[in-house]
Amino acid sequence: EAGVVQSPRYKIIEKKQPVAFWCNPISGHNTLYWYRQNLGQGPELLIRYENEEAVDDSQLPKDRFSAERLKGVDSTLKIQPAELGDSAVYLCASSDQGAAGELFFGEGSRLTVL
Amino acid sequence: QQQVKQSPQSLIVQKGGISIINCAYENTAFDYFPWYQQFPGKGPALLIAIRPDVSEKKEGRFTISFNKSAKQFSLHIMDSQPGDSATYFCAAPPGFQKLVFGTGTRLLVSP
Repeated sequence: EAGVVQSPRYKIIEKKQPVAFWCNPISGHNTLYWYRQNLGQGPELLIRYENEEAVDDSQLPKDRFSAERLKGVDSTLKIQPAELGDSAVYLCASSDQGAAGELFFGEGSRLTVL
Repeated sequence: QQQVKQSPQSLIVQKGGISIINCAYENTAFDYFPWYQQFPGKGPALLIAIRPDVSEKKEGRFTISFNKSAKQFSLHIMDSQPGDSATYFCAAPPGFQKLVFGTGTRLLVSP
């Protein structure tokens, strides 16, 4: 069974440019998460989806970040415009609603903003 | 937002030794405490988790010990191997289907 797939794996952009990350969760997983992991830190939740609905976006910087999960399957996270402090690894994870707390992570998208 | 405090920040253990990582949490919506393992360039992966109707859970060389009254739990890696060298994160659930992660412990097992 395929795991969580993310792309691109690496992205280097100039500040003020837009960037987008894509995630395809494990088939059948209704819950999808976007986390941000700064260097040497633990993952921090940005947004959580239950099917198509964003049920927790309290930590998402809404002035520049947006996300969508059309049709309740794959998801896109966008940053526009990017700032230097956005350099991090963006991790997507999914879970089965019946498996409380067990998250399956993708390999992440490493963003460098110059 | 709930904080999860993890210690030590880094740890060096000789092959065959015991690695111990500690975690303290504030409040949880329910009892489920996992440890995740992350290798460089990879996403975190669930290593072991405990639902504290028990105070200890063992899976192979990995053991979670849980102290509910102290709001603490720890990971013990017995007979540590070089392949265990990774970063370990504890996590606690402030709500259903939500995890807050600790800051991580970088473990190096020397041959």
